[in-house]
Amino acid sequence: DSGVTQTPKHLITATGQRVTLRCSPRSGDLSVYWYQQSLDQGLQFLIQYYNGEERAKGNILERFSAQQFPDLHSELNLSSLELGDSALYFCASSASGTGNQPQHFGDGTRLSIL
Amino acid sequence: GENVEQHPSTLSVQEGDSAVIKCTYSDSASNYFPWYKQELGKRPQLIIDIRSNVGEKKDQRIAVTLNKTAKHFSLHITETQPEDSAVYFCAASNGQGAQKLVFGQGTRLTINP
Repeated sequence: DSGVTQTPKHLITATGQRVTLRCSPRSGDLSVYWYQQSLDQGLQFLIQYYNGEERAKGNILERFSAQQFPDLHSELNLSSLELGDSALYFCASSASGTGNQPQHFGDGTRLSIL
Repeated sequence: GENVEQHPSTLSVQEGDSAVIKCTYSDSASNYFPWYKQELGKRPQLIIDIRSNVGEKKDQRIAVTLNKTAKHFSLHITETQPEDSAVYFCAASNGQGAQKLVFGQGTRLTINP
């Protein structure tokens, strides 16, 4: 158990819909990262938050957005869903936002778009 | 931006033999190189990491070496066991202002009994 909690474990929805993925970091960790894992693209960095503020952005689509709340949990919102958005979405956390602290991953949310 | 290439994509070794997975990176500013193990349907699990001020790091049967000049790093697993079968990912980060990990494409390692 990494200490990073992600809900839900599975999501099945239709094209055009909107979903919210939730992540609670390890106790004491201030940084949260979101990654997308698909068969053809591997593990891709989406976005990082540190103590409530956006710290870094990857190739995150405009249809996707995220935030980190005062209690440090984070949500990833995916809207106008397309078939290609089907993937595993992982959240990771680290103690700080810089200095190359180890990132520990949650168990992921498997999103299936029908 | 950073690009990480990982080879081989699949690797099959006999139990007890050694396995080596290699990665190259493009950004000379990268200074942190973790390795993750991912079993089928599970989360990536950090197994070892190395920073650019160190050339080699070892943890029991696992070791990582780093060649900053050539911009490549490798994972070495000795005395392989069936439970080592998994997909292994290398990654790189420069940690400047942020800590975005750029991952290699993964190596599927199979240990044959």
